[in-house]
Formats: sequence, structure tokens, C-alpha cells
Amino acid sequence: DQQVKQNSPSLSVQEGRISILNCDYTNSMFDYFLWYKKYPAEGPTFLISISSIKDKNEDGRFTVFLNKSAKHLSLHIVPSQPGDSAVYFCAASDSGTYKYIFGTGTRLKVLA
Amino acid sequence: GAGVSQTPSNKVTEKGKYVELRCDPISGHTALYWYRQSLGQGPEFLIYFQGTGAADDSGLPNDRFFAVRPEGSVSTLKIQRTERGDSAVYLCASSPWDSNEQFFGPGTRLTVL
Repeated sequence: DQQVKQNSPSLSVQEGRISILNCDYTNSMFDYFLWYKKYPAEGPTFLISISSIKDKNEDGRFTVFLNKSAKHLSLHIVPSQPGDSAVYFCAASDSGTYKYIFGTGTRLKVLA
Repeated sequence: GAGVSQTPSNKVTEKGKYVELRCDPISGHTALYWYRQSLGQGPEFLIYFQGTGAADDSGLPNDRFFAVRPEGSVSTLKIQRTERGDSAVYLCASSPWDSNEQFFGPGTRLTVL
């Protein structure tokens, strides 16, 4: 049973445009969410996080939105750059634990 | 400073053999995690150490898998009687005691023939 789902395995976006990556979760106990970026042959690197007490968190070109009632979060990248091309993983945890539950990832390709 | 390092980067072994995978966390990080990433999947939690003790090993798939962290720093993941289904990238992460953010190493790609 996949508790964190990323239904789009891949996404292509033109440089300069907005990239929107989506993530859905099923466990209502999750209250902390993260996005990680992964390049080939490297480990995932932390990008941005959000606690369930907020519905938006912004860091430069990256914004994460959380819709608790829909159990949905999204990552917006504006403007997209070719260096953003990577696999993006959504992860969730119950703040009482340290286990991250990861989605299956979305491969983003930003076209120059 | 230095990030999380993992050795070897690649390991090829034969079915039935024993393997050890090593993780050097970021200096001063008290928490250490092992994850396994199979092809087309996200990382899957295996075990978590806080200091020297395994606080949660509920993600280990069976008793062929074991991990240690004897001095609260370096950790070794040990797999006995490897099976082809164990083939995956094994990721290690560490975090400071007061943070949720986990810093990942580059992983060890294990291939069981």
C-alpha cells in the first residue's frame, strides 16, 4: 500500500516556465513533508519542507503548497532552469517518528 | 564540510554470499538511517540509529539483514546469504539530534548475480 504517491513519472517543461510536481498521501497522521532532488549516481538532496501547520513555504524559486483536506502537496519551480532537471521525491513523516515515507519520484526535464 | 560517504560505491556479488556496506555519517550527527531504493521506486526505510543503538529496525525485510553502529559514528549494513531480490541501491543518511532534515550519501549499488 503506497502511502505517498507521485502519479506522474515524468514531466518536461520549457526553460523559464513553471514546473509543478504533485504528490498525494493517504495517512492522515503525516504532518511533515519534504521534497528531495536526486541527480544520477548521487544521493537525494534536501530541497524544501513544510509542516502541516502551514499551507505554503517558499524558498527562492521553490514553493511548496500543502492542501491538508485533499491530502495533496505540490512543488512549484519558477522559473525552471536546465539545472533543475533531476528526479524529485516527495516524502512524508509523522513528526513523532523519523521515518520518511517516499513517493516513487517524478523525473523533471527542463528543456533549454 | 564532508558529507555522508558510503563504501563501496558498487558491489557485485553472487547469490548466497555475505556482504557488508559501510556508511560514514556527517561528523557530529547523532542519528543515522539506512534506506533501500529499488529500480523505479523511492527510498524505503530499513533502520534508524540514535547513537549506538538501533532505535527502530522495523524496516529490515528479514533476519538476513543486520546493521551495527558500535561507536555511534560509522555504521555497517550486513546482508547474509544474499538473494537476487536484494539488488538495489542502499542509501545511508544522517541528521543532527535536533533536526528533521536527513542528509543522504551517494549510495552503494548492490548487484546480486
